[in-house]
Amino acid sequence: EVQVVESGGGLVQPGGSLRLSCVASGFTFGSYWMTWVRHAPGKGLEWVANIKQDGSEQYYVDSVKGRFTISRDNAQNSVFLQMNSLRSEDTAIYYCGGGAGWVFDFWGQGALVTVSS
Amino acid sequence: DIVMTQSPDSLAVSLGERATINCKSSQSVLSTSNNKNYLAWFQHKRGQPPKLLIYGASTRESGVPDRFSGSGSGADFTLTITNLQAEDAAVYYCQHYYNSPLTFGGGTKVEI
Repeated sequence: EVQVVESGGGLVQPGGSLRLSCVASGFTFGSYWMTWVRHAPGKGLEWVANIKQDGSEQYYVDSVKGRFTISRDNAQNSVFLQMNSLRSEDTAIYYCGGGAGWVFDFWGQGALVTVSS
Repeated sequence: DIVMTQSPDSLAVSLGERATINCKSSQSVLSTSNNKNYLAWFQHKRGQPPKLLIYGASTRESGVPDRFSGSGSGADFTLTITNLQAEDAAVYYCQHYYNSPLTFGGGTKVEI
C-alpha cells in the first residue's frame, strides 16, 4: 500500500524559513517524479515544484523561484521543500505527491503552513 | 505559461443527474510527437488530498468509477459525471502537464 506522509508544517513569521519533509513507502521511490502542490485558504490548487527521479531536474512556479528549493533523498524515500523568505501568500496546505511521469496519482494528507506575525 | 480556464465556477446537480465541466487551455496541450493530450482532472474535497480522476484527457485512473469520463483534445476538454452520487460533491480541477509551469484551472464546485 502506498503511503505518503508530510511533516514540518507550522506557524512562521514573514521572512522566516520552514522545511517540509515527505516520506513515502509502498513503491519504488527512486522511480517516481515527486511534486509539491498547495491549497491556500479560499483559493484553488496551485502547483509549486517537481523533482525528477534522480534529483537532476527541478521545476518551480515563478512565485517561489529563488525562495523555495525542492530536493530528495532516495535512500530515505524522502522529498523536501525548503521554504525561505516566506510571505503571507505562502500560507496554505502543502501536499506531497508522486507519479511515474508528471501525472501525480498518489498524495499525502498535507502539511499546514501559516505565515503570520 | 499555459492558462487553464474552467466553467462554470459552480453548479448544483440533483442526485442521479449529470454534471458537465468545461476546461479550456490557452494553447494546445496535445503533443504532436505522440498524439497524447497532457490534461488531467482532479477531485478535491475539504480536508483531503487531491484525487486523480482522469489523465491523458480521457483515461480513467484505476479505481475511479466509470460514471466519471473525460473527453476533448487540443485546447478544449470536458469532464462529465453521470448518475451523480452524494459523495461526488467536491471541487473539480483540470490541470495541464504539457510543460512547466504546470497549471490548474480555477476549479468548479459541484453541489448536490
